[in-house]
Amino acid sequence: QKEVEQNSGPLSVPEGAIASLNCTYSDRGSQSFFWYRQYSGKSPELIMFIYSNGDKEDGRFTAQLNKASQYVSLLIRDSQPSDSATFLCAVKKQGGKLIFGQGTELSVKP
Amino acid sequence: NAGVMQNPRHLVRRRGQEARLRCSPMKGHSHVYWYRQLPEEGLKFMVYLQKENIIDESGMPKERFSAEFPKEGPSILRIQQVVRGDSAAYFCASSPRDVSALSIQYFGAGTRLSVL
Repeated sequence: QKEVEQNSGPLSVPEGAIASLNCTYSDRGSQSFFWYRQYSGKSPELIMFIYSNGDKEDGRFTAQLNKASQYVSLLIRDSQPSDSATFLCAVKKQGGKLIFGQGTELSVKP
Repeated sequence: NAGVMQNPRHLVRRRGQEARLRCSPMKGHSHVYWYRQLPEEGLKFMVYLQKENIIDESGMPKERFSAEFPKEGPSILRIQQVVRGDSAAYFCASSPRDVSALSIQYFGAGTRLSVL
């Protein structure tokens, strides 16, 4: 079992719809969780981070964390074609290193 | 406010040559992480360094790879006797002095290594 798992996609949604990206992790002691966006050929860009159970909203983005289920998600409201990218879920391990999922490719169709 | 600076952006080497990748962290950041992204794969942790110290090298291949972060100057990831399987994007990230769960890692633009 991988430490961090994501559906590889591609996830295709129409413009204006809600995109839902999911991530599960195996280390129950994990404390902090990050979503990065990576455009093709570019570097990862931090979108959201979350530490506490529940929801955290920032503009069109909402991160949701459920530690009991070891599940973290990212919702993107009013999806735009410019959101088309690979979204990486990452879990911080003791000592600081990030463990990444494989990434979910999102495609927003005009 | 300069971000994490990596150079070169693209590096071409022939099999058997050495590759040196450089990373200057963001101003005020004293922690550097190196990650590798092989084609069609996710980001994999390689090494975590502080000034003059290797803190965690659990992701580094056992041979040919080394990393340093000297007191002065950038962090260097060195790959000796490169092979075609080393072709990948190498990303450096930095974070502030505090490495608690609340600390954020910011990524540089990466170095794309191609081995011919």
